[in-house]
Amino acid sequence: QVQLVESGGGVVQPGRSLRLSCAASGFTFSNFAMHWVRQAPGKGLEWVAIISFDESIKYYADSVKGRFTISRDNSKNTLYLQVNSLRPEDTAVYYCARDFGNYYFNFFDFWGQGTLVAVSS
Amino acid sequence: QSALTQPASVSGSPGQSITISCTGTSSDVGGYNYVSWYQHHPGKAPKLIIYDVSNRPSGVSNRFSGSKSGNTASLTISGLQAEDEADYYCSSFTRSRTPVFGGGTRLTVL
Repeated sequence: QVQLVESGGGVVQPGRSLRLSCAASGFTFSNFAMHWVRQAPGKGLEWVAIISFDESIKYYADSVKGRFTISRDNSKNTLYLQVNSLRPEDTAVYYCARDFGNYYFNFFDFWGQGTLVAVSS
Repeated sequence: QSALTQPASVSGSPGQSITISCTGTSSDVGGYNYVSWYQHHPGKAPKLIIYDVSNRPSGVSNRFSGSKSGNTASLTISGLQAEDEADYYCSSFTRSRTPVFGGGTRLTVL
């Protein structure tokens, strides 16, 4: 069965960096586009970034553009999110999600359980 | 890209039906038949329940149904059950080829 397991979250000071990972199993990871989606405390879901199956397409939400970088290693079945210059408003649970398609957004057909990033001094 | 508009909360009694609306613009909901809905129990992974406006993934109860008219999509849950109590989010493809979510709706089963 499809499994997505996020890791790498934690408490970090403003301005610092983290790298989030999402280990995928139960499907051919290299065939699917992948996303990061976040949920701040008490708030709704916010899309963060998408990467196509072959890394040729990467799009970001305006709120993270220039600070976050999405990448993937298809040989390791792993999705990454490098988060730099963290701000308190980046505090959220970060979910990885699989897209039904391989290039652009279709819909999120499977989700992980999330990893918490807390930005605080 | 502004978030799609959903009611903050809805409620219903067991066995009743409820409908959650999701209003966007011609650049998202109204322009494409790529609206999806997600059920989210806090602390758990969100779950896809409707895709492409009205299609149900395998294993999702037929008590969940979706529709769209103009710039507004709707999720209807019939025969409400206690386990339906959760947060529900709509999402749509947009002109920029990226997704946008609704603000979420908290469903309370009375």
